[in-house]
Amino acid sequence: GESVGLHLPTLSVQEGDNSIINCAYSNSASDYFIWYKQESGKGPQFIIDIRSNMDKRQGQRVTVLLNKTVKHLSLQIAATQPGDSAVYFCAENGSQGGKLIFGQGTELSVKP
Amino acid sequence: EAGVVQSPRYKIIEKKQPVAFWCNPISGHNTLYWYLQNLGQGPELLIRYENEEAVDDSQLPKDRFSAERLKGVDSTLKIQPAELGDSAVYLCASSLRLNSPLHFGNGTRLTVT
Repeated sequence: GESVGLHLPTLSVQEGDNSIINCAYSNSASDYFIWYKQESGKGPQFIIDIRSNMDKRQGQRVTVLLNKTVKHLSLQIAATQPGDSAVYFCAENGSQGGKLIFGQGTELSVKP
Repeated sequence: EAGVVQSPRYKIIEKKQPVAFWCNPISGHNTLYWYLQNLGQGPELLIRYENEEAVDDSQLPKDRFSAERLKGVDSTLKIQPAELGDSAVYLCASSLRLNSPLHFGNGTRLTVT
C-alpha cells in the first residue's frame, strides 16, 4: 500500500544550528508534498509545500528538497529556534490525489 | 481569516455511548476532511467532502461511524456506539481546492472509558 515514512523519529539540535528532517515516500505517482509542524495539543500547521515539477522550494527559514529519483523529501530549518520544537510530518497526495497521506513524524527538540 | 473551528476540544464518554464532533471550515473552502490521529502517529483520512458530497469515505468504519456535511459548509462526525479503540484525536481540515494545503483545526480529543 501507499506509505510515507521518516528516517529519524527524534532529532535534537542546538539553538542556532540548522536542522534537517528527512522523509521517504513510496508512491512514485505522488506529485504534491507538504510539510506540517504540530505542537502539543494543536492541529498540524502548514509549513511549506512542493510539487513534483520542482526539486527545491524556499520559504522563510525553511527549504524543502525533493528527490524524485530516490523518492526522498527533506525539510531544512535554518537557525533553529526553541519555538521550532515540535513534531514534523511530511505528507504526499498518493496515486489518487485529493488527500494527504502522512508519515509517522519526527520530533524536533531544540536545546537552548 | 478565521481558521478551522472544531468542538468540543475534549470529550470523555463510556464505551457504547454515542458521540458527535462538529467542524466549521474556513470560509470558501469547498473541500473538507476528517482525519483520525492516534498518539505518536500521523493523521489518517476518514472521509473527504467536495461541497456536500462525500467523495472518499473508503477508510470510514461505516458500521459505527457516520458523517454529514449539510449545505456544504459545517460538518458533523458521529460514532455510535463508541469503542475503547476509538480513543484518539479527531481532526477536521479544509482546503481551497484539490492538491492545495490543508488547514487543520485543533481537533477533538476523545477518550472512551
